Amino acid sequence: QVQLQESGPGLVKPSESLSLTCTVSGGPITSNNYYWVWIRQPPGKGLEWIAFIHYSGSTYYNPSLESRVAISVDTSKSQFFLNLSSVTAADTALYFCARHNWDGDYFDSWGQGTLVTVAS
Amino acid sequence: QSALTQPRSVSGSPGQSVTISCTGTSSDIGGYDYVSWYQHRPGQAPKVMIHDVNKRPSGVPDRFSGSKSGSTASLTISGLQAEDEADYYCCSYAGDHIRFVFGPGTTVTVL
Repeated sequence: QVQLQESGPGLVKPSESLSLTCTVSGGPITSNNYYWVWIRQPPGKGLEWIAFIHYSGSTYYNPSLESRVAISVDTSKSQFFLNLSSVTAADTALYFCARHNWDGDYFDSWGQGTLVTVAS
Repeated sequence: QSALTQPRSVSGSPGQSVTISCTGTSSDIGGYDYVSWYQHRPGQAPKVMIHDVNKRPSGVPDRFSGSKSGSTASLTISGLQAEDEADYYCCSYAGDHIRFVFGPGTTVTVL
């Protein structure tokens, strides 16, 4: 059973960059069938996908965030990463990492999420 | 503003059935059979309950079922149990550019 765990600072100042790490365990990050994803949920709002990455390096970005987002992967550490630049209060959210299964187009495993607050 | 529309909350007594609707457009739910549903309890990892409109992953009780008609998908919980109290989110594939859209979530309360 694959497990995902988010980590990173819980507080980021406005205009700075938000950096998060997702550590994958219990299964290989190098499987062809999966993409690795960041999803967020602002307080009181719904879910929003941010970015996908395949272990090969192929990426997809949400068009609404693409100019500020970078996703990367380190297969040697079974980790993938999110960097979101020039953050504002609107980026305050519960950030999840998840695994996307292309054999059905759904997110089959999720982390518990990490709350990131943007405030000075 | 979520791309998909769900009721804010639904409730039922133990043993009853509840249905959560998820309304989209022809560009998402109406255009693809890639609707999924996620259960989220606070502090826990979200869990997929249904994918591909009506497929249940192993380990998900068969009292959970999914369906779709036109641009509206539905999740039905039959024989409601106390442990089913949670937020439920629908999600649909929406093409190569937008990729995925989510609903705002529905809180299920067991009375």
